[in-house]
Amino acid sequence: QSALAQPASVSGSPGQSITISCTGTSSDIGGYDSVSWFQQHPGKAPILLIYDVTNRPSGVSHRFSGSKSGNTASLTISGLQAEDEAHYYCNSYTGTSHPVVFGGGTKLTVL
Amino acid sequence: QVQLVESGGGVVQPGRSLRLSCAASGFTFSSYGMHWVRQAPGKGLEWVAVIYDDGNDEYYTDSVKGRFTISRDNSKKMVYLQMNSLRAEDTAVYYCARDYYSSASGALDSWGQGTLVTVSS
Repeated sequence: QSALAQPASVSGSPGQSITISCTGTSSDIGGYDSVSWFQQHPGKAPILLIYDVTNRPSGVSHRFSGSKSGNTASLTISGLQAEDEAHYYCNSYTGTSHPVVFGGGTKLTVL
Repeated sequence: QVQLVESGGGVVQPGRSLRLSCAASGFTFSSYGMHWVRQAPGKGLEWVAVIYDDGNDEYYTDSVKGRFTISRDNSKKMVYLQMNSLRAEDTAVYYCARDYYSSASGALDSWGQGTLVTVSS
């Protein structure tokens, strides 16, 4: 199974908004509303930011939002803060015998 | 609160076996799917395996199929990953993670701290 495609890096200044894309196929992202996004700081375990494309777990800032169009999902972070600098990963349910696939990850730099 | 604690990692020679354990607490363990996800040094997250809430369904990524086995004991609130015929490319931090649902949606809402497995001669 192929990994979902994410940009290797994105950057933005404090206060700005950025969007990270996650591109798959009709067999994963395009076929199901089961896309999740994770934040991972160095040396730490990942944290779930978004699930089922648009849902935020309790405790996650409203600055994080998710969307999907066709085979591409997106994570938008508004009002960038220094502590947002981290790696971000998407994943999707695939409905196959390999039910979960991750993206390659995106490093966010806050300038 | 939800807690997942992995154990069992270490240094192992190629071809040997290792069993990872994950102890769960703070939630109704038998109601959730459980996953293993790994991360090689300096690399991204890779999904490894999942076992559904009742233990009757399990799935693996291709690279570990036939070598790794995921299992769970709902009475003990434990999930395991038996890793056989280990290869250098299995070197990674292995995370235990809870699915938001009873199956395998990929919405991993709780993670352990990870346990490092190093396969080297």
